[in-house]
Amino acid sequence: AAGVIQSPRHLIKEKRETATLKCYPIPRHDTVYWYQQGPGQDPQFLISFYEKMQSDKGSIPDRFSAQQFSDYHSELNMSSLELGDSALYFCATTLGSYNEQFFGPGTRLTVL
Amino acid sequence: SQQGEEDPQALSIQEGENATMNCSYKTSINNLQWYRQNSGRGLVHLILIRSNEREKHSGRLRVTLDTSKKSSSLLITASRAADTASYFCATDDAGGTSYGKLTFGQGTILTVHP
Repeated sequence: AAGVIQSPRHLIKEKRETATLKCYPIPRHDTVYWYQQGPGQDPQFLISFYEKMQSDKGSIPDRFSAQQFSDYHSELNMSSLELGDSALYFCATTLGSYNEQFFGPGTRLTVL
Repeated sequence: SQQGEEDPQALSIQEGENATMNCSYKTSINNLQWYRQNSGRGLVHLILIRSNEREKHSGRLRVTLDTSKKSSSLLITASRAADTASYFCATDDAGGTSYGKLTFGQGTILTVHP
């Protein structure tokens, strides 16, 4: 069965650079959630989209933005990267809300 | 702040033994989900229990939910070395403008010795 795809899987950036992370949902899934997991931490919700509209926002820095496109894939854009942005970034997708979320393999971002 | 707190933070057992992990949360929920994560890897969905359910089974997994105590437990029976991982509970909080976002607990690190 098709799973959630995230790209790239690994990303190394310098401070103050920008990064774009991509998430491709399971077919027919219309809801995307983004989470950030720091080293040894639990995942923290960043932002979500339902039917291409932002549905909820968590502890996402103003330097980050995201959107969901007509094909339901989503991109997380991160600017002015800081060392503390180094983390695993997961997207999760589901059909509608309040259902089990299927997580992608994550993008490991390292900021040097 | 964390919605969920998991207990214990770390659990070490022998193969064949049962492992029980507990999760407490603070707000009303729509559902509670358990996930497994191998070191530095993705989160694998294990089981979802809705707020109107009290117990659910899936293979060697048994989950209970007590909404009056705002707690849940995950039991893994007949554990295997391959069960070694971190286990997280995550709540889908009811009310407000939440649209299914998950709030994770801090996780239990389970080590199963062969």
